[in-house]
Amino acid sequence: QQQVKQSPQSLIVQKGGISIINCAYENTAFDYFPWYQQFPGKGPALLIAIRPDVSEKKEGRFTISFNKSAKQFSLHIMDSQPGDSATYFCAASKSNDMRFGAGTRLTVKP
Amino acid sequence: DAGVTQSPTHLIKTRGQQVTLRCSPKSGHDTVSWYQQALGQGPQFIFQYYEEEERQRGNFPDRFSGHQFPNYSSELNVNALLLGDSALYLCASSYGTALTYNEQFFGPGTRLTVL
Repeated sequence: QQQVKQSPQSLIVQKGGISIINCAYENTAFDYFPWYQQFPGKGPALLIAIRPDVSEKKEGRFTISFNKSAKQFSLHIMDSQPGDSATYFCAASKSNDMRFGAGTRLTVKP
Repeated sequence: DAGVTQSPTHLIKTRGQQVTLRCSPKSGHDTVSWYQQALGQGPQFIFQYYEEEERQRGNFPDRFSGHQFPNYSSELNVNALLLGDSALYLCASSYGTALTYNEQFFGPGTRLTVL
């Protein structure tokens, strides 16, 4: 019952490059779309989130682009750094239910 | 503030056994959600507890049960363990049940291995 599809599974980017991760959802009732960052041995931590009433949200080097009609959203990491190397999860939520994508393992090479 | 804490860190059990995992929420939080994260996968929602009651449940069998105590801490119990229950079990806490408006903070997880 995967309701959030995430791609790619893994991504390798050079330092200074742009990392792009994409997600698609099925349930139009979802009204909150967060991105989480997870380092090995740690739990996921909220990175940035968006609601469907806006098409883009930027926080520092991280930007979410949201396309409500296509039911897609993406995370852009500008000027990617080796410290950004982690697994990234998109999620979609309504009320007290949150569904996660399968994750993208990002490696930023120095 | 210690954030969300979970115990134990690692656990090894055999098929058919029962296990109890524990979670203490972040200070000020009253809601606890449990997730199962299989290797290489995203977290899957098991259930959420608020005011000592199960408020929402994901697609998990009755072998998975939980409890929330008056101090908001929580336990996850899994009976009749199967090999497929091997995973990282994550606890997340929030202030209030509406995840749309209340950020979840995750603990580091308990790694359960079933042999």
